[in-house]
Amino acid sequence: AQKITQTQPGMFVQEKEAVTLDCTYDTSDQSYGLFWYKQPSSGEMIFLIYQGSYDEQNATEGRYSLNFQKARKSANLVISASQLGDSAMYFCAMRDSRSADGLTFGKGTHLIIQP
Amino acid sequence: DADVTQTPRNRITKTGKRIMLECSQTKGHDRMYWYRQDPGLGLRLIYYSFDVKDINKGEISDGYSVSRQAQAKFSLSLESAIPNQTALYFCATSDGQGAIDEQFFGPGTRLTVL
Repeated sequence: AQKITQTQPGMFVQEKEAVTLDCTYDTSDQSYGLFWYKQPSSGEMIFLIYQGSYDEQNATEGRYSLNFQKARKSANLVISASQLGDSAMYFCAMRDSRSADGLTFGKGTHLIIQP
Repeated sequence: DADVTQTPRNRITKTGKRIMLECSQTKGHDRMYWYRQDPGLGLRLIYYSFDVKDINKGEISDGYSVSRQAQAKFSLSLESAIPNQTALYFCATSDGQGAIDEQFFGPGTRLTVL
């Protein structure tokens, strides 16, 4: 069974709109961490935001926030006021006891911001 | 200068050749990782190392080997390259501290096996 599921292969969003990228995860652990990375067309992996399973509040980093719904096992990334530079691949990832201390990644969402 | 560097950045090789991808870091981190990325897929863990004497297999280690020559250097080898090893390879590092233990990625090596 897939541990990280990103159901949106691609998304088109108008500039300045908010966008939500979906991520659901599967783990039986109580302690785990969820990450979002951005991969622009240049290829590098850029860390955006982290949510720990015991964190009581949703994580926020500037225009990025994480809508963490633990009971539903979802960790959606919200980008407010999207910009043309937000166009990229976005990956959700998890670290739990089965990921051998590495990260398990979803297949990603290709976000395109239109002017 | 970049904190995590990978060499080469691009490599084209032939089936059956031995190839080594190198990763160096100046972050002073103990933990280093190798991932591969295939089109339409996320990254998958190949090997990881928590220190010079510690090497561990990841999800997809078959066909690969690694060497941790020093705290700052972690190399990935393909002993006999095959076409389905064509992928983008990333090295990453982390300090193993705190709940986040953020991984910092290198720029990637694009490998093509003909």
